[in-house]
Amino acid sequence: AQSVTQLGSHVSVSEGALVLLRCNYSSSVPPYLFWYVQYPNQGLQLLLKYTSAATLVKGINGFEAEFKKSETSFHLTKPSAHMSDAAEYFCAVRSYGGSQGNLIFGKGTKLSVKP
Amino acid sequence: GAVVSQHPSWVICKSGTSVKIECRSLDFQATTMFWYRQFPKQSLMLMATSNEGSKATYEQGVEKDKFLINHASLTLSTLTVTSAHPEDSSFYICSAPPPLLAGPTYEQYFGPGTRLTVT
Repeated sequence: AQSVTQLGSHVSVSEGALVLLRCNYSSSVPPYLFWYVQYPNQGLQLLLKYTSAATLVKGINGFEAEFKKSETSFHLTKPSAHMSDAAEYFCAVRSYGGSQGNLIFGKGTKLSVKP
Repeated sequence: GAVVSQHPSWVICKSGTSVKIECRSLDFQATTMFWYRQFPKQSLMLMATSNEGSKATYEQGVEKDKFLINHASLTLSTLTVTSAHPEDSSFYICSAPPPLLAGPTYEQYFGPGTRLTVT
């Protein structure tokens, strides 16, 4: 079975500082991994995804993530935080189980950006 | 890109009544849709998989008689919360995989969610 663990339910950074949101996965098969962002009372927007191509994945809004098999990690980074980045971020892995194609989400990390 | 809509975006109902939530794929066909539930400040939990033309598949612990799912067409799935109770208050989000023509993208397109409050 697949699972993801997000370390840190809340991360606070200053505007212009590096953003690092951590995600570790567990999967018995090569995983498909995703990062989604959710703004209050809204659905989820895909930031980026790893589907077994390049291990360094670039997404929207300046975010990127690196797939590290040896560390079973898929951490999300952004060199310089903007106020507009304040939101909830979810790491997810695609399920290979009975419910084909659904995503299994981590518990989420709330990112706060201080001026 | 493909768009998934939900209606209503926000609903308040009285305890004991039923409420229907619609999930539509606007510019593509979806033989499968997924329904998630999100409690405040928590993650999304898969409730059920909606299959066009057949019965939905429910996750363990989800009452299928309480959360009725109908996928009557290739662009519409509905979730009906029957005999709603305050503990059913939550944020319900649907998703659909991209159309096959898009190739194996593996992601999901999410609707904007429906906030249900049961009083």
